[in-house]
Amino acid sequence: DAKTTQPPSMDCAEGRAANLPCNHSTISGNEYVYWYRQIHSQGPQYIIHGLKNNETNEMASLIITEDRKSSTLILPHATLRDTAVYYCIARTSYAGNMLTFGGGTRLMVKP
Amino acid sequence: KAGVTQTPRYLIKTRGQQVTLSCSPISGHRSVSWYQQTPGQGLQFLFEYFSETQRNKGNFPGRFSGRQFSNSRSEMNVSTLELGDSALYLCASSSLAGGDNEQFFGPGTRLTVL
Repeated sequence: DAKTTQPPSMDCAEGRAANLPCNHSTISGNEYVYWYRQIHSQGPQYIIHGLKNNETNEMASLIITEDRKSSTLILPHATLRDTAVYYCIARTSYAGNMLTFGGGTRLMVKP
Repeated sequence: KAGVTQTPRYLIKTRGQQVTLSCSPISGHRSVSWYQQTPGQGLQFLFEYFSETQRNKGNFPGRFSGRQFSNSRSEMNVSTLELGDSALYLCASSSLAGGDNEQFFGPGTRLTVL
């Protein structure tokens, strides 16, 4: 799986959009970009994933650049409950379900 | 639908002992993966089972082992516990063997080795 790079921490004001970047410059054509988050001491929670196209669900939007070397997770209206560590993971579709977690980004949503 | 359950939630053991942790996946899910989370190493993959077969294994010593039963429930065992085995152990389940799918994590078992 391709290595991903994320900023270690970010702040966001409550009610504003949180934009979390992820670099995956060595990603291969068959690797998906997955985002999970982990609220303190709980199990990670799936957010969204995509291959080439931008994706949106009830939690977030995922914007993948055309060259697929980077992506951005967008939480449109961040709340205090969105304070968590966010992990960006590149995963192939045929190598089982193993996830390789990096350090993630610690997002602090402030009132 | 019930989520992934892990038992016990907390465990205290002493060095040299062994421990068995249990994970019950979401009903209908046949894939179970295990992860270890420590402050120093972060989240690290241990192994994955699908339909009772181990499909992937992380870089952990042989003291760490696992198995999956016909009802998809999984157990992991750590023998000869060391202080460094103190961690949050997480399991995740998925309906598919791989591919374009999400995984659902349990709340974890927090193991403390004294």
